[in-house]
Amino acid sequence: TQLLEQSPQFLSIQEGENLTVYCNSSSVFSSLQWYRQEPGEGPVLLVTVVTGGEVKKLKRLTFQFGDARKDSSLHITAAQPGDTGLYLCAGDVLTGANNLFFGTGTRLTVIP
Amino acid sequence: ETGVTQTPRHLVMGMTNKKSLKCEQHLGHNAMYWYKQSAKKPLELMFVYSLEERVENNSVPSRFSPECPNSSHLFLHLHTLQPEDSALYLCASSQELAGGHSGDTQYFGPGTRLTVL
Repeated sequence: TQLLEQSPQFLSIQEGENLTVYCNSSSVFSSLQWYRQEPGEGPVLLVTVVTGGEVKKLKRLTFQFGDARKDSSLHITAAQPGDTGLYLCAGDVLTGANNLFFGTGTRLTVIP
Repeated sequence: ETGVTQTPRHLVMGMTNKKSLKCEQHLGHNAMYWYKQSAKKPLELMFVYSLEERVENNSVPSRFSPECPNSSHLFLHLHTLQPEDSALYLCASSQELAGGHSGDTQYFGPGTRLTVL
């Protein structure tokens, strides 16, 4: 099975601080996605990275895909309370179906 | 309605009950999925339907029975569940492209919070 480990598992920071969440695997993925899930809701896609070494920016969020396409990171600059939620990475393997393998999740709390 | 909807949002059932979860997608997608989300475990894929045919069944116990009558609707029929089946059940849909895919976006519903007593 393709296991995706996320770290840290829990993170509580003050508003305005920066943070980085990591997603690591021993498997190679054709692409990797990051989702945010808020309480009572399903995960919502933030970004998809496809190319090894790719960096994508979404306002204060910066996503990076590792050169070997086995790992990824999410960096948030000047965190806001609205960033609070469960962050999930998900790796995509080409098996003929859109089969995503989800990471263990990082629960982020941003304190005003 | 837009996106992916799921009903009911909350369900409490006994181990001898039979119930069904419903999912509807309004995005014109051709693939639908059932996931299980438990505390302390990664999101687990249960079933995948592409063009209304089941293409993936990740060794899910037979007490869970999916049904996909058309590309917009997906059901999960439940019977004789166990307390450890209590979880958030998420439905998702995506548009699969011919010839393979890379990073097809899956759109999730809000989930059904299931409690088995």
